[in-house]
Amino acid sequence: ETGVTQTPRHLVMGMTNKKSLKCEQHLGHNAMYWYKQSAKKPLELMFVYSLEERVENNSVPSRFSPECPNSSHLFLHLHTLQPEDSALYLCASSQVVETYNEQFFGPGTRLTVL
Amino acid sequence: RKEVEQDPGPFNVPEGATVAFNCTYSNSASQSFFWYRQDCRKEPKLLMSVYSSGNEDGRFTAQLNRASQYISLLIRDSKLSDSATYLCVVNIVGSWGKLQFGAGTQVVVTP
Repeated sequence: ETGVTQTPRHLVMGMTNKKSLKCEQHLGHNAMYWYKQSAKKPLELMFVYSLEERVENNSVPSRFSPECPNSSHLFLHLHTLQPEDSALYLCASSQVVETYNEQFFGPGTRLTVL
Repeated sequence: RKEVEQDPGPFNVPEGATVAFNCTYSNSASQSFFWYRQDCRKEPKLLMSVYSSGNEDGRFTAQLNRASQYISLLIRDSKLSDSATYLCVVNIVGSWGKLQFGAGTQVVVTP
């Protein structure tokens, strides 16, 4: 596969469930990102990983827990979510060179919390 | 004030016409700029990077005005397939790898 892939594409979960979102990039990039996109709102950056080290945590609630085991894989572990967490969760990757940062997105996971 | 502001639209454009819209940014030290395209319920896709001298890619022209802190996108000879939301994106200096996204401008091309 090429580009950035995400699984699952759709997820419905109850507030007491635990689930994980997976992202894989096949581009050899050095950075990976999680974004949240709610209806009619700008993309909200959640986490940034550079070479498997978290470099940004944008005040995200602890019920979202990221994991980056290697430079190609990124996970977002979910537990005890709220209905307002329902959104499109997008993963992206980029090869950051100084200030230039062209990001490529996966297709997203559409999450519904009941 | 928002970091990146866009007119949400929609811009209703007859097929074959030209449409242009701007995006303003608040951080004068911003150094990299992009336009992304997002179709309904799909992921954003990079349309073009915006270089300081302005650049053109087929029917699309992007320009940067650092003095007034805005970026523009012009679409010539609009096609039905150009209907989408166009996201203005700015690289935030001093925050590693962080991009700031605008909320998007919706363009609807009509037959």
